Amino acid sequence: DTGVSQDPRHKITKRGQNVTFRCDPISEHNRLYWYRQTLGQGPEFLTYFQNEAQLEKSRLLSDRFSAERPKGSFSTLEIQRTEQGDSAMYLCASSLGWGTGNEQFFGPGTRLTVL
Amino acid sequence: SQELEQSPQSLIVQEGKNLTINCTSSKTLYGLYWYKQKYGEGLIFLMMLQKGGEEKSHEKITAKLDEKKQQSSLHITASQPSHAGIYLCGAVFLYTQGGSEKLVFGKGTKLTVNP
Repeated sequence: DTGVSQDPRHKITKRGQNVTFRCDPISEHNRLYWYRQTLGQGPEFLTYFQNEAQLEKSRLLSDRFSAERPKGSFSTLEIQRTEQGDSAMYLCASSLGWGTGNEQFFGPGTRLTVL
Repeated sequence: SQELEQSPQSLIVQEGKNLTINCTSSKTLYGLYWYKQKYGEGLIFLMMLQKGGEEKSHEKITAKLDEKKQQSSLHITASQPSHAGIYLCGAVFLYTQGGSEKLVFGKGTKLTVNP
């Protein structure tokens, strides 16, 4: 399978715990995006990487959230001191380029439940 | 306020019927993407439109972007149960060379196709 993969698919945690999610983009894609989706809503942009550089962050990304893409390949999204409001589907997407080459392909998502 | 409005919010059709989903923006957009999502899963890329008046088709699904680049429609001909899911439109509103081209999504249209 050469699509975007995410791990884990599901995560249940207690409030106050830290969680980390991983995204493996399509291999030749240099752009990587994180989005968050809550029930009944469309995905909302969180952050964007061009290779290893994090070039844009949404105001939704509070200080408790941090994302990395250390070698320009896989990415991690960490949430510290989770809150119940963090419960959502976290989606990763990757794309090859910009303009007409910027079709974003999404992974299956990580569903986070904070108890 | 929602930058992208989708209508209808939900749609129930009989197998074999045609249907149309609309996506409207108050601002001119740079690119318009259509995705399909099964409940609890990631987004499947359907089509991307960039030029005013552009129309693309894939199998029984046709997407159009109006000349003003503010409204798009997704039309399914002779619907099948396999078409059921949530259809999301996503737009790029800002294009700068080297920018993120992040997607802003509508809330989605839930399609049910009864056999």
